[in-house]
Formats: sequence, C-alpha cells, structure tokens
Amino acid sequence: DAGVTQSPTHLIKTRGQQVTLRCSPKSGHDTVSWYQQALGQGPQFIFQYYEEEERQRGNFPDRFSGHQFPNYSSELNVNALLLGDSALYLCASSLAGPSFGGGTGELFFGEGSRLTVL
Amino acid sequence: AQSVTQLDSHVSVSEGTPVLLRCNYSSSYSPSLFWYVQHPNKGLQLLLKYTSAATLVKGINGFEAEFKKSETSFHLTKPSAHMSDAAEYFCVVSDPGNQFYFGTGTSLTVIP
Repeated sequence: DAGVTQSPTHLIKTRGQQVTLRCSPKSGHDTVSWYQQALGQGPQFIFQYYEEEERQRGNFPDRFSGHQFPNYSSELNVNALLLGDSALYLCASSLAGPSFGGGTGELFFGEGSRLTVL
Repeated sequence: AQSVTQLDSHVSVSEGTPVLLRCNYSSSYSPSLFWYVQHPNKGLQLLLKYTSAATLVKGINGFEAEFKKSETSFHLTKPSAHMSDAAEYFCVVSDPGNQFYFGTGTSLTVIP
C-alpha cells in the first residue's frame, strides 16, 4: 500500500518564478492538506482540499493556490516566489474529518518537497 | 482557537534513561491531540493520538502520553531512550475540520 507520495523532492527556483508541487494521497484517502515547514519551525497549515474544493485555508496569501483532481491527487502552486517561500512543503492525506461526516482525524504525511528560492 | 506550546526546544538524555517531552494545549473544542516524530530529511510519522477515549495513550516504539484536562497537558514519555529516538518531535492539536496546529517542536538528543 503506497503512502503519500510527493514530487519533486527538491527544486530550486529564483525570485518571481512560479512553482507547482504534486501530491498523491494514501490509497483510500479523499482529503489532502498542504503544510509549509520553514527551517527550524513546525509545519504551518496552508489549505485543505476535499471533493475538489478548498475547504479550509490558513494565513497564506493568494499567491498560494491549489487544486484537487477527481482521483484525489492534488497540486500546490506558488506564484511570484519570494525568498521567504523557501521551505519544506508537506502534503498530508486523510479521510474526511468529523465536519464532513467521518474520518479518524489522523493525517498521513509525505516526505515533502524542499523548495529553495534564490 | 487551537494552539499547542512545547515547553522545551531541546532535550538531551542518556541512552537507557527516561524521556519526557512536554506539551500544553489550548482548544475551543474537546481536543484531538497527536504526537508526530520527524527524523532528518524524512516526513512526519504518527507516534500516538488522543481522541477522547482513554487518557493514557500508548503509541509506537514504546512511547506513551497522558491527557490531563485539568492541566491542559499532553506530555510524551518513554521509559528508556534508544539512540534511534533522536529526532524532532511535534505536539499537535486538531480542530473538527481536521486542520492541524503544530507546536514549534522539541529536538531530542540521545547521548550514548
């Protein structure tokens, strides 16, 4: 049973560029969340997708956008990259949580995509 | 609002001695609490979770945590540290929408 897979694992961009990160959830999971983990910090919630819609959003600017596909996989897009966007981006999958009528609340994380902005 | 405070940014223990990683939480709801571990260059792995069942929760690799509502704490313990336990540990509280709120992490060093 494949867990959460993310691609690419590492990438380097320059300021002002755009980046797309990809995530395939654990088999059977229908909800995908994205987190940003800056060096030496805990992960910070970006947004969550369920049924191809953004359901919750953290305190991140509109430069951060996402998408969920019918097969539950997801993309994170970041436009107009800033140096401060350098971080490990983590994808997590789960079954829909209590507010959507089910799920155990446990998140399964991928190993992340490490983005460096120069 | 949900938040967690990890009281120690770094903890060092000798191999074979007990481990205590401290976490206090704040939650507007009946909380769901988790401990995750992150080894270098790896993703986050769930150690254990509390979701309003037994207050003493047993996890993987000999770790356990006790939910104390009166103290709003959810400290992580292990009777005997192993070298492989060296990692970053995160205490987490979630809201009903399954948004996770992470602490700032505790780095555990195990001295041989």
